[in-house]
Amino acid sequence: NAGVTQTPKFQVLKTGQSMTLQCAQDMNHNSMYWYRQDPGMGLRLIYYSASEGTTDKGEVPNGYNVSRLNKREFSLRLESAAPSQTSVYFCASSDPLRGQETQYFGPGTRLLVL
Amino acid sequence: AQSVTQLDSQVPVFEEAPVELRCNYSSSVSVYLFWYVQYPNQGLQLLLKYLSGSTLVKGINGFEAEFNKSQTSFHLRKPSVHISDTAEYFCAVRSLDSGGYQKVTFGTGTKLQVIP
Repeated sequence: NAGVTQTPKFQVLKTGQSMTLQCAQDMNHNSMYWYRQDPGMGLRLIYYSASEGTTDKGEVPNGYNVSRLNKREFSLRLESAAPSQTSVYFCASSDPLRGQETQYFGPGTRLLVL
Repeated sequence: AQSVTQLDSQVPVFEEAPVELRCNYSSSVSVYLFWYVQYPNQGLQLLLKYLSGSTLVKGINGFEAEFNKSQTSFHLRKPSVHISDTAEYFCAVRSLDSGGYQKVTFGTGTKLQVIP
């Protein structure tokens, strides 16, 4: 039982390059989330998926797209990376409709955009 | 709209001393409250949560928090800290939006530095 896994762990991009961050959970959770963490700003929600087949914007969606590939996987795509997207990205999952309020987080992806 | 305020960005404390990390929230509806801990270079993990019932909640590693509805606070406490408690702590609030979907808002975090 791995919980929430994220790949890659580290990435360096040049401005304008694209990449996809992968996230998978093995807890059969319906809801999944993408956050970014920046110093002094806590965690800010980028996108979330309440259930398989649905996605919605969070607090800071600009410059990102997501895909809920299936119940297990939720990917985050940067189409044209910008230095402002340098951050640590966390994926999380939970299942509030089944009483699982706690969010379980992956280990994070550290992204540097030059 | 809901919000979470963690008043202290950094809290230094000597080992074996007590500590309180403050959290205040605002929300127009009923809320659930959480404290998460993040150790260096790791993701967040749950420390404790308040969903209903007793306002004093006990979590892992000897931490506890008290929900105070009148003061809209959920302060985290530990009577005697250990070096291993050095980490960043995040308060979070969860409420339902109009569509019935949960919305979770995190505070900006408090870095606890335990001094030997």
